[in-house]
Amino acid sequence: EVQLVESGGGLVQPGESLRLSCVGYGFTCSSYWMTWVRQAPGKGLEWVANIREDGSEKFYGDSVKGRFTISRDNAKNSVHLQMDSLRAEDTAVYYCAREPFDLWGRGTLVAVSS
Amino acid sequence: DVVLTQSPLSLPVTLGQPASISCRSSQSLAHSDGFTYLNWFHQRPGQSPRRLIYKVSNRDSGVPDRFSGSGSGSYFTLKINRVEAEDVGVYYCMQGTHWLPYTFGQGTKLEIK
Repeated sequence: EVQLVESGGGLVQPGESLRLSCVGYGFTCSSYWMTWVRQAPGKGLEWVANIREDGSEKFYGDSVKGRFTISRDNAKNSVHLQMDSLRAEDTAVYYCAREPFDLWGRGTLVAVSS
Repeated sequence: DVVLTQSPLSLPVTLGQPASISCRSSQSLAHSDGFTYLNWFHQRPGQSPRRLIYKVSNRDSGVPDRFSGSGSGSYFTLKINRVEAEDVGVYYCMQGTHWLPYTFGQGTKLEIK
């Protein structure tokens, strides 16, 4: 079955770090740009970051620029999101998606609270 | 950034009746390559978003033909011919023409009357 599975979410305190992972099954991630989208509780969708097929280009939303780093490991069919200096407003479900957004994972919840 | 404004934000519909959601962009979404990168997504409660429509009017595989997308430039519409119970949830438009960043509309919550 073609799917994306995220992991790595959890409860952390402000200022701490977390690393999310997303593994693709049933398809080759290296053929696609991959992206992270988040959704705060009860809110809409916000694009976070994406990465080119070979990892040579990475882009970020303004709200996470300088704090989050996207990477990929094509040998392991995976994409990662390193989140540093986390803030309360980063609390959200983080979805991994294959561009052009035709395949999404189930998401992983990140909660930032003291 | 491109701002997408959806209306209505809440849409109560009777089963079997049609429904329509509009998405207005702060600038034209026509790309220089000739395509218009406007997608529609459906998110059921507790689930991840699912793409329904891409490039304005192309239905994704498995999407019932009661769903249709239309529009051009800055104005787009998602229509459901006859609403069924499984159509409840939130619908989002999203533009990919002027990324960075990709932007989404606020969402329209469809519920059954």
